Amino acid sequence: AQKITQTQPGMFVQEKEAVTLDCTYDTSDQSYGLFWYKQPSSGEMIFLIYQGSYDEQNATEGRYSLNFQKARKSANLVISASQLGDSAMYFCAMRDSGQNFVFGPGTRLSVLP
Amino acid sequence: DAGVIQSPRHEVTEMGQEVTLRCKPISGHDYLFWYRQTMMRGLELLIYFNNNVPIDDSGMPEDRFSAKMPNASFSTLKIQPSEPRDSAVYFCASSDRDRGGNTEAFFGQGTRLTVV
Repeated sequence: AQKITQTQPGMFVQEKEAVTLDCTYDTSDQSYGLFWYKQPSSGEMIFLIYQGSYDEQNATEGRYSLNFQKARKSANLVISASQLGDSAMYFCAMRDSGQNFVFGPGTRLSVLP
Repeated sequence: DAGVIQSPRHEVTEMGQEVTLRCKPISGHDYLFWYRQTMMRGLELLIYFNNNVPIDDSGMPEDRFSAKMPNASFSTLKIQPSEPRDSAVYFCASSDRDRGGNTEAFFGQGTRLTVV
């Protein structure tokens, strides 16, 4: 069965600094996708970034990058130059060959001015 | 496309009443997911459909919960009878098949259910 672990319930970062949110996953599939979503206090789920299991390069989307270490089964999200608007819940998710879409427990990020 | 549309946005009901949540996925998407979000349990996958067929309902908490997808553009999640512990935000999401590319799930705005 799939499992996503996010060990940081909450994180603080100073504005303009970089922050890394941890995610580890467990699957027996060779083909899978890893996703990060942001959920601000307004409640909507916003897709941020995707990494495929066969992608050799780490994914990047603007200030977001994904530090993918396949052997360690980790897919950490790095946010550079944090902004106050980055304060939100962040969820790591995985989709495997069964097309299931499972989320981790989330990390609450607070950006300090 | 207007995105995934859920209705109602808010629902307050009395314990024991039947509740029906509705979802219209993005046109052309062949996967539909129902999630429940609470503070205690996070974002739980309840059930998902492929081409209108339920594939995995192992996340459905108990027999009081049922979900249907009569056609490609509509799905319902029903709770009968409702209980206070069902209070949560229920999300519907849709997705294309992951063909090795970027096929994220697109979420609706959610339905906040309160059972009193």
